[in-house]
Amino acid sequence: GESVGLHLPTLSVQEGDNSIINCAYSNSASDYFIWYKQESGKGPQFIIDIRSNMDKRQGQRVTVLLNKTVKHLSLQIAATQPGDSAVYFCAEKSSASKIIFGSGTRLSIRP
Amino acid sequence: EAGVAQSPRYKIIEKRQSVAFWCNPISGHATLYWYQQILGQGPKLLIQFQNNGVVDDSQLPKDRFSAERLKGVDSTLKIQPAKLEDSAVYLCASSLEGGLYEQYFGPGTRLTVT
Repeated sequence: GESVGLHLPTLSVQEGDNSIINCAYSNSASDYFIWYKQESGKGPQFIIDIRSNMDKRQGQRVTVLLNKTVKHLSLQIAATQPGDSAVYFCAEKSSASKIIFGSGTRLSIRP
Repeated sequence: EAGVAQSPRYKIIEKRQSVAFWCNPISGHATLYWYQQILGQGPKLLIQFQNNGVVDDSQLPKDRFSAERLKGVDSTLKIQPAKLEDSAVYLCASSLEGGLYEQYFGPGTRLTVT
């Protein structure tokens, strides 16, 4: 299949372990943050979002943490599975602006 | 519910040629986006439509790129003439409205300019 990005940072995780993917954002005015998953040959898929009035939000097997002081976002995936292999992008948005995607991280799963 | 459809999936052209991409958004979605994703990077917004009007085209290279959404449903993105640096995946996305509504992406069209 196609590769979304050949020179992305890579995180290698043992199947069943937890994964933590980090992201630094740039705009202090951003008040909405999204994590996307992009599998090879596909468009990005929404995973979870968080607004700036929160510092943590949980979904199914995923948790997003937001630290506005240091402009840092993280995505935690519990009990990582082979189907979690993909490139993960964080994105930021302010109410008056477009979504801006960060650079991605490739997550690979070791059996 | 059918997703966002795009065609073609792949296109190879020579520089200075023209190319067009087509997108059919999710039924009922008023907002349509075209993104360019260069290998190794996140998607970059080229143009955003609300129904058939342009909301944001600030990053669209207007000397060679054009897009339209004539009836507020399907959209086409055209490049004329193409340059080598236009090689990328072109993604279409749609959402119910603009703002903070979730965007749903199509599979993209991979363009290679030789």
